[in-house]
Amino acid sequence: EPEVTQTPSHQVTQMGQEVILRCVPISNHLYFYWYRQILGQKVEFLVSFYNNEISEKSEIFDDQFSVERPDGSNFTLKIRSTKLEDSAMYFCASIIDRGGSDTQYFGPGTRLTVL
Amino acid sequence: AQSVTQLGSHVSVSEGALVLLRCNYSSSVPPYLFWYVQYPNQGLQLLLKYTTGATLVKGINGFEAEFKKSETSFHLTKPSAHMSDAAEYFCAVIPNFGNEKLTFGTGTRLTIIP
Repeated sequence: EPEVTQTPSHQVTQMGQEVILRCVPISNHLYFYWYRQILGQKVEFLVSFYNNEISEKSEIFDDQFSVERPDGSNFTLKIRSTKLEDSAMYFCASIIDRGGSDTQYFGPGTRLTVL
Repeated sequence: AQSVTQLGSHVSVSEGALVLLRCNYSSSVPPYLFWYVQYPNQGLQLLLKYTTGATLVKGINGFEAEFKKSETSFHLTKPSAHMSDAAEYFCAVIPNFGNEKLTFGTGTRLTIIP
């Protein structure tokens, strides 16, 4: 069964450093998402991406964050200058088509620890 | 705006007992509703979803949920708990007009007592 993959599984970085989290969505999916889950809290939407542009972003997704699809398979989330409060589990998700009835498939997540 | 409330951050049931995890939503438009499960150190896996049609939805691993519009609820049930059901369960909502952003509840951690 096709699945969303994410690398690395765990990233440790120093505050102020840039990190790039990588995701490979399911190959025929068209819409891509990043969510995050701070330890002990609920999963929160960050950004959605379609046709090489952001379609929606949350207030969490400020200028320190960016996303891109550099090739036909990868979907990345970049945090330019990490803060302690960026420590969280980051989930990538993809969906075959727009419309809420379709299922968003989630990757296993990247645990980001900012020291 | 949509929101999801999950009553009970922790639920414990005995093996073989009924599992009931509660979810209420608020939405200005008819919603699509989802239950996701997260096993320790893993990602989110879809258990079941309600979009249209039959209000009683069956999912994987013997779980089911019923959409009750009058109660704005989408509670998750399983007749007989198994040890492998121990996990975190998240209820989520999307409004049904093409917005694809999932809004999640705070989650319920289910513990199974042997």
